[in-house]
Formats: sequence, C-alpha cells, structure tokens
Amino acid sequence: DIQMTQSPASLSASLGETVTIECRGTEDIYSNLAWYQQKPGNSPQLLIYDANSLADGVPSRFSGSGSGTQYSLKINSLQSEDVASYFCQQYNNYLWTFGGGTKLELK
Amino acid sequence: QVTLKESGPGMLQPSKTLSLTCSFSGFSLSTSGMVVSWIRQPSGKSLEWLAAIDWDGDKYYNPSLKSRLTVSKDTSNTQVFLKITSVDIADTATYYCARSHSQTGSVFAYWGQGTLVTVSS
Repeated sequence: DIQMTQSPASLSASLGETVTIECRGTEDIYSNLAWYQQKPGNSPQLLIYDANSLADGVPSRFSGSGSGTQYSLKINSLQSEDVASYFCQQYNNYLWTFGGGTKLELK
Repeated sequence: QVTLKESGPGMLQPSKTLSLTCSFSGFSLSTSGMVVSWIRQPSGKSLEWLAAIDWDGDKYYNPSLKSRLTVSKDTSNTQVFLKITSVDIADTATYYCARSHSQTGSVFAYWGQGTLVTVSS
C-alpha cells in the first residue's frame, strides 16, 4: 500500500505570509493527489484535486503542485480564516490513504 | 444540493458490531461514476479511509481492516451502510461518509458532518 508522509506536522505563520506544506508518497501516485482543509469541529473540505486543480469555491491563494512522489500545497497571503489542519490524500487502484496532517496556526 | 448525514449508536461495548448508516440526498448512487466512502478520524488524529461502494455495487476495503468491514447500500440508492465487527477502544473515532467528486472518483468532494462513536465498557 502507498503511504503518505506529510510535513511539517505543525506550522506557525504570520498574516500575509506564504506557506508551503509537503506530501511525499512511497510510490509514484501519478498526480492522484488531493488536499483538504479541516477547521476545528468541522468536516474536511476539498481544496485541490488531481494535484493542481482548484475545487469549486476555493480561493485562488491556494495552489497545488508536484508530480511523481512529491507534492505540495501553497497558501499565498495567509488569512486568519486559513487557520486549520491540512491533509493530503492519494488514490491508487481503489485504495485511498491520507497523510498525517499539518496544523497551521497564526504566529 | 448534495447532503450526507451519518448516524450510529454513539457508544457501544468492546467486541460488539458497529452499524453505521449514511443517508444522502441531491444525488443517486446509481449514477455512473459515483462512489460513497467511509472515513474515520480519532480525536486529534489524521483520517483513515475504511471502505467504499460505487454506482455499480462494487466494494472496496482498507486491507488492514478488511476482515472486519462490510459496506452495502440500499436498493433505492439513497443510503450506504457500514458494519465493523469486534470493535475495541481503538475504533473510537468520528466516522464520516463522503461522496466522490463529479469529475473524478478519486477524491471526496462532499462530506457528512460525522458521527462520534465511542467504544467503552
């Protein structure tokens, strides 16, 4: 099974800053990679799919990139409402796995 | 409008069977490409995909839990069920059902609010 390693586990950043979260798979996942945002007490919300496609309604300050085994989520101009946990997720051959998550806080 | 809602027992004892229901509206699971999955999340931890069932009735399971899981759907294609046998404390989590994206079955575009299940004697 493909395992996903996400880093960092926690991150503190200032308003307006650019933030990058990384995710690495144990095998090539051929861009079958998604990113989710989860605010405390809420369900996860899809941000990015197919590595770099923005989900409906997601602000353009969020972007995804990567290929092969290495992927990243970038948040430009960090806003207070971006404080949340972020999870990557891969899909391969009818198996889905998530990364360990990144908790983003304001500095 | 797509909505999903999970329901479950809230609390159950170790060794029992957990039965969960996902009731949804705004789509039919009989539509080609649709997939509904079960995902769980222990408090403060990451997400774990458990099982999925697609529009054709094909079922998929997390290999590490496969022997304990059974996913099914109703004939009207408006509910999906999950059974987990022989639960223990490690199965305590919030359980979500989620629907696939309309353009790709590989991501979860719509989520329920989750139902908390506590396993305790």
